[in-house]
Amino acid sequence: DVKVTQSSRYLVKRTGEKVFLECVQDMDHENMFWYRQDPGLGLRLIYFSYDVKMKEKGDIPEGYSVSREKKERFSLILESASTNQTSMYLCASSLTGDSYGYTFGSGTRLTVV
Amino acid sequence: GEDVEQSLFLSVREGDSSVINCTYTDSSSTYLYWYKQEPGAGLQLLTYIFSNMDMKQDQRLTVLLNKKDKHLSLRIADTQTGDSAIYFCAERGLTFGKGTMLLVSP
Repeated sequence: DVKVTQSSRYLVKRTGEKVFLECVQDMDHENMFWYRQDPGLGLRLIYFSYDVKMKEKGDIPEGYSVSREKKERFSLILESASTNQTSMYLCASSLTGDSYGYTFGSGTRLTVV
Repeated sequence: GEDVEQSLFLSVREGDSSVINCTYTDSSSTYLYWYKQEPGAGLQLLTYIFSNMDMKQDQRLTVLLNKKDKHLSLRIADTQTGDSAIYFCAERGLTFGKGTMLLVSP
């Protein structure tokens, strides 16, 4: 069964910490995405990547960076965590071309205290 | 920029049909998607429709597309309590609606 795996289901970090959220897919997908999901705001795209070592800013990249050193892994980095980054983070991957849709991970619920 | 709008909440009784509506702005969208999110889980692709189609049926699910009005709907026949979830409309994969919470009561 193909899947997108996010390393942590729940995470609690302190303000100012550097936080790494990891996402791995086993489907040989070219495209990978990071979203955050907040009540009333739906899914908002943070960053995405169409290839190894390639990244593009989404709608809300401020305060985040990403790394894609290998095709299967896409990391989201919070350089200095703040309380307004408390959220559900969802990783997704897809093949190139619109028709395939996205496969999502189960999400990481991050709380910054 | 692109935008996708959905109503936020729908409540139906078990056995009824549910219709979730969505409007979008990007007329170049090749495919439009419906995703389902159960509590505490990620999104699961339910179905999609190619932009040159008007309708697609998949078991209890019917997707209707009005390309002229940029309106997409998802109809769930014989709605069950297990259908209670948040449903997201998406265009081109990058832009999602805020989600419609479907609550099915016995």
